Amino acid sequence: EAGVTQSPTHLIKTRGQQATLRCSPISGHTSVYWYQQALGLGLQFLLWYDEGEERNRGNFPPRFSGRQFPNYSSELNVNALELEDSALYLCASSSNRYSLAQHFGDGTRLSIL
Amino acid sequence: AQSVTQLDSQVPVFEEAPVELRCNYSSSVSVYLFWYVQYPNQGLQLLLKYLSGSTLVKGINGFEAEFNKSQTSFHLRKPSVHISDTAEYFCAVSDRADTGFQKLVFGTGTRLLVSP
Repeated sequence: EAGVTQSPTHLIKTRGQQATLRCSPISGHTSVYWYQQALGLGLQFLLWYDEGEERNRGNFPPRFSGRQFPNYSSELNVNALELEDSALYLCASSSNRYSLAQHFGDGTRLSIL
Repeated sequence: AQSVTQLDSQVPVFEEAPVELRCNYSSSVSVYLFWYVQYPNQGLQLLLKYLSGSTLVKGINGFEAEFNKSQTSFHLRKPSVHISDTAEYFCAVSDRADTGFQKLVFGTGTRLLVSP
């Protein structure tokens, strides 16, 4: 069984640009979570999608957004990039909204120059 | 509000020695507790979880953890570590709302350094 896959592995952008990160959940999983792992800030919850809908978001500005497609894959978009957005972005999936097991991908490292 | 405290940012230990990584939590509701491991340049892998029932939870790679409600702790232990256990370990807590939303709140992590 393929795990959670994220692309790209690395992404380099400059301030003010926009970044798109992608996540494919484990086959059959309907919930997708996004987390930011920034140096010195630890792992913080960003967004939760389930059955195509955004169900909740963490304490991040609106320039962090995303969507979930009918095949349950997901995109995270970050607009107007700032230096502090440099981080490892981790995607996790679970079988449904009630599942207590989140399976993580290897992340996308976003570097802002 | 939930929070997780991992007091030790780094734990050095010799190979084949026992290790305990400490985790304390605070939550206003019934909790679910997790330990994840992160190897360099990788995502998080679930080691074990406590949902209910027996307070001693066994996980993968020989790790176990004990849920102690009175001390609000969920310490991770391994009786004999290997070099390959060198990694970052994260404790996490979550609750489950009626909507089914499960948000993981993570501690700041403990780096386990195993040397020969």
